[in-house]
Amino acid sequence: NAGVTQTPKFQVLKTGQSMTLQCAQDMNHEYMSWYRQDPGMGLRLIHYSVGAGITDQGEVPNGYNVSRSTTEDFPLRLLSAAPSQTSVYFCASSTRGTVNGYTFGSGTRLTVV
Amino acid sequence: AQSVTQLDSQVPVFEEAPVELRCNYSSSVSVYLFWYVQYPNQGLQLLLKYLSGSTLVKGINGFEAEFNKSQTSFHLRKPSVHISDTAEYFCAVSDRNGTASKLTFGTGTRLQVTL
Repeated sequence: NAGVTQTPKFQVLKTGQSMTLQCAQDMNHEYMSWYRQDPGMGLRLIHYSVGAGITDQGEVPNGYNVSRSTTEDFPLRLLSAAPSQTSVYFCASSTRGTVNGYTFGSGTRLTVV
Repeated sequence: AQSVTQLDSQVPVFEEAPVELRCNYSSSVSVYLFWYVQYPNQGLQLLLKYLSGSTLVKGINGFEAEFNKSQTSFHLRKPSVHISDTAEYFCAVSDRNGTASKLTFGTGTRLQVTL
């Protein structure tokens, strides 16, 4: 099993550009989430999904969009990148939410200049 | 809403010494509690979890944690650390209500094990 796959691993964007961070899992997990990790702030939830067609906002959703058209994929879209979105982004998935623990991808390091 | 406080941002320790990483939480509802570990340049990995039952839970790599409801704490311990335990450790909570789908993380504690 590949687990949770995130692409790209690194990305540099100019302010105002848009891009999509890809996340795919092959474990048939219903729950998927996006977190950002910033120094001294831990991980903060951006958006999450409890199944295909269902998404909701987390703690820091502004500037990000998500959709969940299939069980496997949960892309994160940056509409107009800002330097404040420079961060490491992690995608995670789970069978029954937090009780079974989340499986995390290896992250995407994004720099906005 | 929940919050998690990890008081120690860094904990240096010698190999084979015991270690305790502290975690306190705040919540208006009952919670599940977790510890995750992040090795350099990797994603997070579940170390252990408390859902119910015995307040002492054992996880992978010889780690254990004790849930203390009165002190709202969930401290992580290991009696003898190894160089390979060098990593960042995150305490996290989620509520027991609804779908229990969201994790709230602390700011992390970097464990540095030296010879």
